[in-house]
Amino acid sequence: DQQVKQNSPSLSVQEGRISILNCDYTNSMFDYFLWYKKYPAEGPTFLISISSIKDKNEDGRFTVFLNKSAKHLSLHIVPSQPGDSAVYFCAASADTGRRALTFGSGTRLQVQP
Amino acid sequence: EPEVTQTPSHQVTQMGQEVILRCVPISNHLYFYWYRQILGQKVEFLVSFYNNEISEKSEIFDDQFSVERPDGSNFTLKIRSTKLEDSAMYFCASSGGSPLHFGNGTRLTVT
Repeated sequence: DQQVKQNSPSLSVQEGRISILNCDYTNSMFDYFLWYKKYPAEGPTFLISISSIKDKNEDGRFTVFLNKSAKHLSLHIVPSQPGDSAVYFCAASADTGRRALTFGSGTRLQVQP
Repeated sequence: EPEVTQTPSHQVTQMGQEVILRCVPISNHLYFYWYRQILGQKVEFLVSFYNNEISEKSEIFDDQFSVERPDGSNFTLKIRSTKLEDSAMYFCASSGGSPLHFGNGTRLTVT
């Protein structure tokens, strides 16, 4: 069951540059999308979300873009910082976020100083 | 900032034993969840709980699992007869609507 896919298991960027993490989904019922960050030995920490009625949401250094026709979303981190090094999970939900979250497999981001 | 608290952080049990994983959700949240992550795999939904009843559950959440909110602060996951394949990180989450806030998890090891 691959309803939410993160095809890049890892990404390495230089400090100060842009990090772009990608996510694809297949379930047309999904209407709410989230990004979580996870450090080792901790639970996922909410970063940013977007509803399907929008195509962009921005919060500080983090921007999420949603392309509904392509069933694709991306997370941009600008500028990237070493403290951003973590595993990033894309998650999706139906019924305006009231249904269970379906997670992607995660992308490990490493920001090089 | 309020946190979701889970205890214990690590639980080792023998196959066939019962375990109870405990969670204290954020105090004004009304929606409670359990997720798990088997090593190397995705985070998977188990169950959601609202208004003292299960609102949604996955295929994983079979008869060996149960959840309870025994008082106004705790939320528990019971696994009645553990199997080797139940070894995983179990995450509790709570929400006042959206998004979900996760605890740091309980690592369950079944031997």
